[in-house]
Amino acid sequence: GAGVSQSPRYKVAKRGQDVALRCDPISGHVSLFWYQQALGQGPEFLTYFQNEAQLDKSGLPSDRFFAERPEGSVSTLKIQRTQQEDSAVYLCASSLGLAVYEQYFGPGTRLTVT
Amino acid sequence: GESVGLHLPTLSVQEGDNSIINCAYSNSASDYFIWYKQESGKGPQFIIDIRSNMDKRQGQRVTVLLNKTVKHLSLQIAATQPGDSAVYFCAETPDTGNQFYFGTGTSLTVIP
Repeated sequence: GAGVSQSPRYKVAKRGQDVALRCDPISGHVSLFWYQQALGQGPEFLTYFQNEAQLDKSGLPSDRFFAERPEGSVSTLKIQRTQQEDSAVYLCASSLGLAVYEQYFGPGTRLTVT
Repeated sequence: GESVGLHLPTLSVQEGDNSIINCAYSNSASDYFIWYKQESGKGPQFIIDIRSNMDKRQGQRVTVLLNKTVKHLSLQIAATQPGDSAVYFCAETPDTGNQFYFGTGTSLTVIP
């Protein structure tokens, strides 16, 4: 079946531009997670949704980062006024249940801020 | 804060040999552990998981060992194949957690 998909796969933005990254989770998956992965590092948690509710956004690095999942399926991660330090791969994961277990990851969006 | 670390950043093994990848964690409240495999340009792929009430779990060609006393986790891959070449991450979460804490990763290279 279809896995988690993300778009675009690659995004180049000039410093100061706003970007929007999309995640399509596996159909029916209740939980959705966003991670940021810097080059050569493990993913770092950004935020977590249970259906449309954003239950944890403690990992968002600044108020320039905003995530939403208005209908409990597709999610968008928005970064305003991008900075060079925002360059990373942004990973989305979903899981069937309410808990964090067995997350299925998408391929990620590689964001490069020039 | 959370700290999940790996002992070796790179590992090279001959095809057919067994591989052992190690991981240390610092949070004694960690309850659930996962090993992920990440190939270049792809997202992490689930390999095997283990809960804190177990010390060993086996899958197809993989075994995870958990030593809660020293907060150590290992992944053993039997008869390593070229397709096993990737970066391997351990990740953990406490019982009431809603996020995973990932280690830095170990890059495994299988030499044909």
